[in-house]
Amino acid sequence: RKEVEQDPGPFNVPEGATVAFNCTYSNSASQSFFWYRQDCRKEPKLLMSVYSSGNEDGRFTAQLNRASQYISLLIRDSKLSDSATYLCVVNAMGAAGNKLTFGGGTRVLVKP
Amino acid sequence: GAVVSQHPSRVICKSGTSVKIECRSLDFQATTMFWYRQFPKQSLMLMATSNEGSKATYEQGVEKDKFLINHASLTLSTLTVTSAHPEDSSFYICSARVLSGNTIYFGEGSWLTVV
Repeated sequence: RKEVEQDPGPFNVPEGATVAFNCTYSNSASQSFFWYRQDCRKEPKLLMSVYSSGNEDGRFTAQLNRASQYISLLIRDSKLSDSATYLCVVNAMGAAGNKLTFGGGTRVLVKP
Repeated sequence: GAVVSQHPSRVICKSGTSVKIECRSLDFQATTMFWYRQFPKQSLMLMATSNEGSKATYEQGVEKDKFLINHASLTLSTLTVTSAHPEDSSFYICSARVLSGNTIYFGEGSWLTVV
């Protein structure tokens, strides 16, 4: 089982619709969680951190479920510019210190 | 905001030669930098964790003698791909952790093509 797993998609989303997807992690000692956005052939960029109580940033809502070991990202009122691959990132303490593990990414395609 | 600069953005080299990629944190100090490799349509794979002033920690399966990492200062880490092979052609990305927190910022990435 991979340490961090995501549905690769693609999620085909009509413009203006809502889309949500999850990311599961296997290490129960994981400490912090992030969502990154990666556009084709570009570097990942931080979208938002994920807090225990859940957090919202504009049209984006992130939630953490420690009991079931997953985080989620919800995008409301999807824009064409939201088309990208969304990477789930989990930070856990490893033998060499803090270690970030990336999920495989979920591809989102927003269409007119 | 914080910026991480990576250079070169694209490089083509011949098989058997070595190529160096630089990663700089421009406006913050980073005790820890990370090097990733990403093959087409795959996720980022951590290659090694680079700590300033000490030896890098390599992930399982990554050859430390082939991928030389140096982190000589709080703002610069370098990755040297030695005896490059066409199979090493990939997108290499560095990231740096802000000294005072958990946030990670990525460089723009370097496309390496070995011919």
